[in-house]
Amino acid sequence: EPEVTQTPSHQVTQMGQEVILRCVPISNHLYFYWYRQILGQKVEFLVSFYNNEISEKSEIFDDQFSVERPDGSNFTLKIRSTKLEDSAMYFCASSESAYEQFFGPGTRLTVL
Amino acid sequence: AQSVTQPDIHITVSEGASLELRCNYSYGATPYLFWYVQSPGQGLQLLLKYFSGDTLVQGIKGFEAEFKRSQSSFNLRKPSVHWSDAAEYFCAVGPFNYGQNFVFGPGTRLSVLP
Repeated sequence: EPEVTQTPSHQVTQMGQEVILRCVPISNHLYFYWYRQILGQKVEFLVSFYNNEISEKSEIFDDQFSVERPDGSNFTLKIRSTKLEDSAMYFCASSESAYEQFFGPGTRLTVL
Repeated sequence: AQSVTQPDIHITVSEGASLELRCNYSYGATPYLFWYVQSPGQGLQLLLKYFSGDTLVQGIKGFEAEFKRSQSSFNLRKPSVHWSDAAEYFCAVGPFNYGQNFVFGPGTRLSVLP
């Protein structure tokens, strides 16, 4: 069964460094999403992406964040200058119909 | 604004006992409704979903959920809990418009006593 994959599973970085989180959505899906979950808290929406552009973003998704679909298969989330409060689990999701989203296993980001 | 509440932060049940996890949503129409389970350090696994039709939906691992429009609820149930069901459970609604995001509830942590 096709699934969303994410790499790395765990990323440790120093505050102020740039990180790129990678996702490979399910191949025929058209809608892509990033969510994050700070430890012990609920899952929060960051951004959705369709037709090579951002379709919606939350207040969390400020200028430090960007998304890209560089090669038609990968979907990346970049954090330009990480802060301690960016430490969280980041989930990628994809959708074919836009009414059901399939989630990846997540990348745990630890900012020191 | 749309919102999802899960009134129980933490529930403890004995293995073999029945389980009901509550979920209420706030939205002007009937949204799409989902339950996800997250084991420690793991991703989100879809248990079941409701789009339309029969208000009692069956999911994986023996779970079911019932949509009650009058109560804006979508409670998750299981007749007999197994130790492996210990996890965090999230109710989610959406998308509210085509291509929009899900809104997740705060989660309910389930502990299972032997």
